[in-house]
Amino acid sequence: EIVLTQSPGTLSLSPGERATLSCRASQSVSSSYLAWYQQKPGQAPRLLIYGASSRATGIPDRFSGSGSGTDFTLTISRLEPEDFAVYYCQQFGGSPHFGQGTKLEIK
Amino acid sequence: QVQLQESGPGLVKPSQTLSLTCSVSGGSISSDDYYWSWIRQPPGKGLEWIGYIYYGGSTYYNPSLKSRVTISLDASKNQFSLKLSSVTAADTAVYYCARVVVHPAYYFDYWGQGTLLTVSS
Repeated sequence: EIVLTQSPGTLSLSPGERATLSCRASQSVSSSYLAWYQQKPGQAPRLLIYGASSRATGIPDRFSGSGSGTDFTLTISRLEPEDFAVYYCQQFGGSPHFGQGTKLEIK
Repeated sequence: QVQLQESGPGLVKPSQTLSLTCSVSGGSISSDDYYWSWIRQPPGKGLEWIGYIYYGGSTYYNPSLKSRVTISLDASKNQFSLKLSSVTAADTAVYYCARVVVHPAYYFDYWGQGTLLTVSS
């Protein structure tokens, strides 16, 4: 089983700042199998990024994904108030697995 | 626009079998391009993949739940279902159904709103 570890657990930033979220896999993951989701309280997760770097339909271009192998990154270039949420990375290699999440909170 | 909607009892007693259904609208469940999946989230915790089913009938389950899980599909109703046996309080969670895109990348693109299932006597 490929385990994903996200860091940091909580990230405190202000609107307008840049956010960098990390996702590390316990073994190499194909980029085709790596996705990022955003979840707000009381809502289902929303797909942001698939294939490690492709934005889903309707996702603003301030969201970008990068990385390969065991290290992947979600970057939000300039935080908007609606971006404060929990973010999960997820892989489909073998048994699908989600990281434990990064909570992005307002500083 | 594809929409998924979970339905279920809300409350199940310990040791009983949990049964949930996901109704799909705006698209056919009988497609070679997608799998159909269940995911759960205990209160205040992260996401756990339960399993998925392909229209052709193949199923794939989380190894940690495999002995208790059955996912089935009813193409005539455009629905798929989850059964989880011998439930305990640890199975209390919001249960989501989701569509899985499998080409050229793998990801969950559409999700239901989720349904809270509580295990309690």
